[in-house]
Amino acid sequence: AQTVTQSQPEMSVQEAETVTLSCTYDTSESDYYLFWYKQPPSRQMILVIRQEAYKQQNATENRFSVNFQKAAKSFSLKISDSQLGDAAMYFCAYRSPHYNQGGKLIFGQGTELSVKP
Amino acid sequence: NAGVTQTPKFQVLKTGQSMTLQCAQDMNHNSMYWYRQDPGMGLRLIYYSASEGTTDKGEVPNGYNVSRLNKREFSLRLESAAPSQTSVYFCASSEAAGRVAFFGQGTRLTVV
Repeated sequence: AQTVTQSQPEMSVQEAETVTLSCTYDTSESDYYLFWYKQPPSRQMILVIRQEAYKQQNATENRFSVNFQKAAKSFSLKISDSQLGDAAMYFCAYRSPHYNQGGKLIFGQGTELSVKP
Repeated sequence: NAGVTQTPKFQVLKTGQSMTLQCAQDMNHNSMYWYRQDPGMGLRLIYYSASEGTTDKGEVPNGYNVSRLNKREFSLRLESAAPSQTSVYFCASSEAAGRVAFFGQGTRLTVV
């Protein structure tokens, strides 16, 4: 079974600085999808970024980028120029592409990010 | 666009009471999911429905039942609520394996 681990329960960053959130996963599949979701105090789950395992290029979305290391099974999220609105819980998630898996997401434990003004 | 709609948003139950959490999506997605979120444990899958007419157990199915009423609706039932079921519950849906999942706003359930 696949597992996702986020070893940093809490992180803190100064406004305008850069922070990296860590995520590792375990799978025997060669093709899969990885995601980072953001959950602000409103509880809404917001997709931040998505990575397909078959793509070697790291995904980027504005100030958010990932460092995807397939051999190491590592998928970290870098937030550049941190803003107060980035303060939230961040979840790393894994998804199998196989239809018989139902497309279910497997989540890590989450990392609570605080941003200091 | 409404997306994924969950009702209710908040609920307090007494131990032993039953209730059904409702979820509906208007994106014509095949797959739907129920998760629970507990501090320090992330979101854990309770049940999922890969397509209309099918349901499967997830990681933590005990104490819950589900119904995929039609393609739009997927409900979660607690037959006899227990304090251990105090949690935030999320419904989600997706078009196909690998595609992005969309989440409802969550239901905060407290069992006393």
